Amino acid sequence: DTGVSQDPRHKITKRGQNVTFRCDPISEHNRLYWYRQTLGQGPEFLTYFQNEAQLEKSRLLSDRFSAERPKGSFSTLEIQRTEQGDSAMYLCASSLVGGVQYFGPGTRLTVT
Amino acid sequence: AQSVTQLDSQVPVFEEAPVELRCNYSSSVSVYLFWYVQYPNQGLQLLLKYLSGSTLVKGINGFEAEFNKSQTSFHLRKPSVHISDTAEYFCAVSEGETSGSRLTFGEGTQLTVNP
Repeated sequence: DTGVSQDPRHKITKRGQNVTFRCDPISEHNRLYWYRQTLGQGPEFLTYFQNEAQLEKSRLLSDRFSAERPKGSFSTLEIQRTEQGDSAMYLCASSLVGGVQYFGPGTRLTVT
Repeated sequence: AQSVTQLDSQVPVFEEAPVELRCNYSSSVSVYLFWYVQYPNQGLQLLLKYLSGSTLVKGINGFEAEFNKSQTSFHLRKPSVHISDTAEYFCAVSEGETSGSRLTFGEGTQLTVNP
């Protein structure tokens, strides 16, 4: 069991650019969650998938954000036309249905 | 809607002293409760969880927590802390399948253990 992995660990981008993050869940986990954590705050829920279906999206997830989980394995989170307010740690977690969520190390995004 | 309040943003203690990190929640349905720890520039690691059964829950690294339904609290305790316990601690609540099991976190408590 290699745990949840995320790539990249750090991303620095200029305002207006697009960025994409990847999350690889624990292999047998059918649920995958994305959270965002800003400095000094707790993580906030963004969206989650069960297998390849995106079942819920937070209102925090504006039209510039899109997430996919093709084939129900890894997931990508894309942010288009980044803004400085998007600077945060993006955390991915996975679980079995009704199970405990296990978190990856996160991707820290800095928008300059 | 569920919410979590961590009553102390920072808790400084000396090594080998006991510590309690306080957490209160609100929810209209039955909840599952969790404590996670986050070391600098890392993701969250599960310390312990309450799903059902005994209200006293033991976790990793000598931590324990007690679920108090009447006071809607889930305080985290350790009888003797170590320097290595210095980290950010997050309390979280889930309403289970009524909310897709998504977690709602508190704002965190920074525990600093001094020699």
